[in-house]
Amino acid sequence: GAVVSQHPSRVICKSGTSVKIECRSLDFQATTMFWYRQFPKKSLMLMATSNEGSKATYEQGVEKDKFLINHASLTLSTLTVTSAHPEDSSFYICSARFGSNYNEQFFGPGTRLTVL
Amino acid sequence: EDKVVQSPLSLVVHEGDTVTLNCSYEVTNFRSLLWYKQEKKAPTFLFMLTSSGIEKKSGRLSSILDKKELFSILNITATQTGDSAIYLCAVEANNQGGKLIFGQGTELSVKP
Repeated sequence: GAVVSQHPSRVICKSGTSVKIECRSLDFQATTMFWYRQFPKKSLMLMATSNEGSKATYEQGVEKDKFLINHASLTLSTLTVTSAHPEDSSFYICSARFGSNYNEQFFGPGTRLTVL
Repeated sequence: EDKVVQSPLSLVVHEGDTVTLNCSYEVTNFRSLLWYKQEKKAPTFLFMLTSSGIEKKSGRLSSILDKKELFSILNITATQTGDSAIYLCAVEANNQGGKLIFGQGTELSVKP
C-alpha cells in the first residue's frame, strides 16, 4: 500500500505555544488529505478535509482559527495547533487519498501531542 | 445524522477462537464500508465493501456487507495473539469528498 508519513511522531509543548504537524504522502500524489483526532480508547473523529490549493473544509465544532490547515502541494499538508492548551492534548492522525473513485485512504502513523 | 455503531466495544478471547465483530450504520447515500485494524499507531486497511452479499477474504479474516439491513460483520477465525488490536469500521457516503465516518471501534484482546 501507499505510504503516508507524519512528523513529529510525538511532541510535548507548553500551554500557549503553537505546534505544527506535517503529513506527507511519500509515493503518490494525494488529491485529498484528512485530519483526524483520536482520544484514548475512542474512535477517530474527522476534523477537516483538505484539498491541494484550496481552503480546508472543517467539521462542525472544529475551530478553524485554532486548527490551521495548509495543503500547499499534492504531497504535503500541515496542521498547526495554535495557542495550544492541555485540552488539545490528543493523538492526531492524517490520511491521504489519490483520485476519487473508490480509492482507499492511507493513514499516517499519527502524532501524539501533549500540552503541559 | 450519519452514524456508525460497532459492537461489542471490547472482547477477550483465547487463541484459536473465532470472533465476529459487528458494524451497523445509518448514512444517507451510502458509497462504501471499510474495515481497519489499529494497533499502536495508524489504522491499517483491511477491506472495502460496496456490494451486498459478496464476501471479501484475506487469510483468516473475512467480511460481508448487508445493504438492506445496513450492517457488516468482520470474522476472524483461529485467532492469534497478533490479532489483538482495535478494529474500526467506517462508512463513506457519496458526494462527501471521501469523508469517513468511524464507529467507536471494537477492542479485541486474544490471550495465549
